[in-house]
Order: sequence, then C-alpha cells, then structure tokens
Amino acid sequence: NAGVTQTPKFRILKIGQSMTLQCTQDMNHNYMYWYRQDPGMGLKLIYYSVGAGITDKGEVPNGYNVSRSTTEDFPLRLELAAPSQTSVYFCASSSSRDRPGNEQYFGPGTRLTVT
Amino acid sequence: TQLLEQSPQFLSIQEGENLTVYCNSSSVFSSLQWYRQEPGEGPVLLVTVVTGGEVKKLKRLTFQFGDARKDSSLHITAAQPGDTGLYLCAGDTYNTDKLIFGTGTRLQVFP
Repeated sequence: NAGVTQTPKFRILKIGQSMTLQCTQDMNHNYMYWYRQDPGMGLKLIYYSVGAGITDKGEVPNGYNVSRSTTEDFPLRLELAAPSQTSVYFCASSSSRDRPGNEQYFGPGTRLTVT
Repeated sequence: TQLLEQSPQFLSIQEGENLTVYCNSSSVFSSLQWYRQEPGEGPVLLVTVVTGGEVKKLKRLTFQFGDARKDSSLHITAAQPGDTGLYLCAGDTYNTDKLIFGTGTRLQVFP
C-alpha cells in the first residue's frame, strides 16, 4: 500500500492564480481531511469528508473548496490564491469510528508559496 | 472552541537527558493521540491512549492519559538525536469526526 499520496510536492503560484492539490489514499478509508501548517505552528483543519459525496468545513475554510466523488480521492481547490495561503498542506485519512480514536494517516505534504 | 495547549513550545537538550512534554485542555476527550513530525514529512502516529489514567510505553517513550481525560504527557528517557522533531498531541471528542490538534512541541536533541 502506498498509503496517502499528495501531488505536487512543491508549487509556486502568483497572486490570483488557481490550482488543485491532489490527495489519494489506497487504504479504503472513509474519512479524509485537509490541514494547513504554517511555519512553526500546529495543524489547522481546512475541510474534511466522512464519505464520498459528503464534505464539511473545518476551522479555516475560506479561500478553499473540496469535492469527494470517490472514496480514494479528496482534491483541494484554491481559487484566487493569496499570500496568506502560503503554507504546507497535508492530507490525512482514517477509517470508521469503530476503532479507538480517530487515528489519522498523513501524506507527505504539498509546500505552496504564493507571491 | 476546544483547545489543546502543549508545553514547552520548544525544547533543546543534550543526548542522554530526560524530558517531559505536556498536553492540557479544559475539555474531556474520548481518546488522545501523540504524533511525531520530522522536517519535510507528515505527522506519524506514535500512540493512542483511551482510558483515563492509562500509561503506554513505546521503547524509551512513556505516554500517560490524565485521570479526568483532559490532559496527557509524553516522557522521553535518555533522549537521542533521532528523537528530534515536532511532537503533536491530538484529542478525539465524542460527538465529532475531527481531531483537535495541540499547538506542538519542537524538540531538538544534540549529540
């Protein structure tokens, strides 16, 4: 199993451009999450999904959109990129809640710079 | 808003020293997890504690969940340079599908 994969690994965007960050998991997990991590900081939840066709906002959703058409994929869309969106973005997945704790598996991250 | 405060925020020690990282909240959690994140990588789960008062050991790392399920600690014995990284605690609540992540503790262990 590859686990959680993210593409691209690095990207530089100009202000106002748009892009999609890709996230795929091969563990058949129904829960998927997008976080951003600013330098020296913890993780902030952007959006999450508990299954195909279901998405919900996290702590910092403004400026982002998501979709979940399949169990495996959970892309994050940035519209009209702004310097404040410069960050490292992590995708994570977890299985259903019959396990103790919502144990999450993370991808390697996408480092995004908006200039 | 539920918060998980970690202390200390930064820790820089010599190889062989012991250390403790704390994770505190005013909220009750159904379980609590600890993750370690190395530079340029995503967080990796170390342990999940579920029962109040529970103690789990992972080699030189000892994790404890508070009796009231509001706090946790991570103790490292005889730290090694390979322990260097960002340590994150994360609490799972009873009624949501989200984790509450702590503010993080950045550990640097020098040879």
